Order: sequence, then structure tokens, then C-alpha cells
Amino acid sequence: NAGVTQTPKFRVLKTGQSMTLLCAQDMNHEYMYWYRQDPGMGLRLIHYSVGEGTTAKGEVPDGYNVSRLKKQNFLLGLESAAPSQTSVYFCASSYSRYGANTQETQYFGPGTRLLVL
Amino acid sequence: AQKITQTQPGMFVQEKEAVTLDCTYDTSDPSYGLFWYKQPSSGEMIFLIYQGSYDQQNATEGRYSLNFQKARKSANLVISASQLGDSAMYFCAMRGWGGADGLTFGKGTHLIIQP
Repeated sequence: NAGVTQTPKFRVLKTGQSMTLLCAQDMNHEYMYWYRQDPGMGLRLIHYSVGEGTTAKGEVPDGYNVSRLKKQNFLLGLESAAPSQTSVYFCASSYSRYGANTQETQYFGPGTRLLVL
Repeated sequence: AQKITQTQPGMFVQEKEAVTLDCTYDTSDPSYGLFWYKQPSSGEMIFLIYQGSYDQQNATEGRYSLNFQKARKSANLVISASQLGDSAMYFCAMRGWGGADGLTFGKGTHLIIQP
């Protein structure tokens, strides 16, 4: 059971380049999330998905797009990278939005460090 | 909207002592969940403990316990008998009504355990 995995682990981009971050989970979770973590900050929600084929905006969605074509995968895209998008990106998944501990706890991937020059 | 406040940017604690990490939250939601995560220097986010707003008892998980005071809107993490491996960043987070907006995180507390 791998849990939540993220690809790649580290990437350097030039301003204006595009890339896609891949998140995969093998826990059959319905809900998936993308967060970013900047120095001195907690995590902030970029986009999330409540099921296959559905996505929604979080707190800081500008400059990002997402897709959830398969239940186990959640993709985060940067169409035209900017230095302000230099950050650590975390994917997370949960069985449910709310409920008891085992249902709503979000489990995180190892993160992707992105540097935009 | 929810807000999490962690007022201790950093803490130094002697090994084997108990540690209390402070967390206060602000929400108008009738139902919510509170979480603590640990982030060691390797960077991953590790789930530690959960408290539901309607839970009657404080949550415990091994050496971790959550001191939940609903009227004061506080959810402090208590680590008993601290170990060197407890050195890490600790984040308090909450899920609001319906959980539609993911988790709201505090800025974290950097805990350093000294031998």
C-alpha cells in the first residue's frame, strides 16, 4: 500500500514554461486536494476534487488548473509558470469530507519542490 | 471562513519532558474537525491526531493527546515524554462545515527537543 505518491519530487522551470504534477492514491479515496506551502506559512488549498470528473477552486487557484479523469489520480497543471509559483506542492486524499476520524482525515503525499526561475 | 492561530513560532524542550503546543481557532461553523500534523525536516506531512467538534472526550493517540476546550476555541497538542525524534514543525488545522474547502492550517510551531 503506497498511500499517496507524487511525481516528480523536484523540478526547476523557467518563467513561462508549463508542467504537470501527478498525484496518485491507492486507498480508494473519493476526495483529493492540492496544497502549496511557502516558507513560514502553513499549507494553502489550491484546488480540490470531490470525485472522478469533478474539481473545484480552493483559496489560491490562480495560475493553476486541475483534472481528475480517474478516481486514483489528480493532476495539477501550471500553464505558464511564474516565480511566485516557487513552492512545495502537496497532494492529499481522504475518504470523506467530514465524519469520524477514519473518514475525514487527509493523508498527504511526500511533496514536490518546484523552483521557477 | 476559518482561522487557525499558533502563537509559538519555536519551542525548545528538554528530552523526556511533556510539551504543550498551542492552537486556537475561529469559526462560526456548528460542526468542524481539528487536526494536528507533524512535518519533520524531511518534509512529509504526518497525521497525528483528530478531534471532532462533537466528541465528548479529548482525543488520544499514544503519546499524543489533544486538549480540546470548545468554549475557549482551543485545541492544544500535548506530547508526553518527548523524544529527540519529536523535533519537527507541528501544524494545527481545521475542517469547516461540510469540508468543502479542505483544511485551514496555522503557520506552525517549530519544536526542538534537546538532549
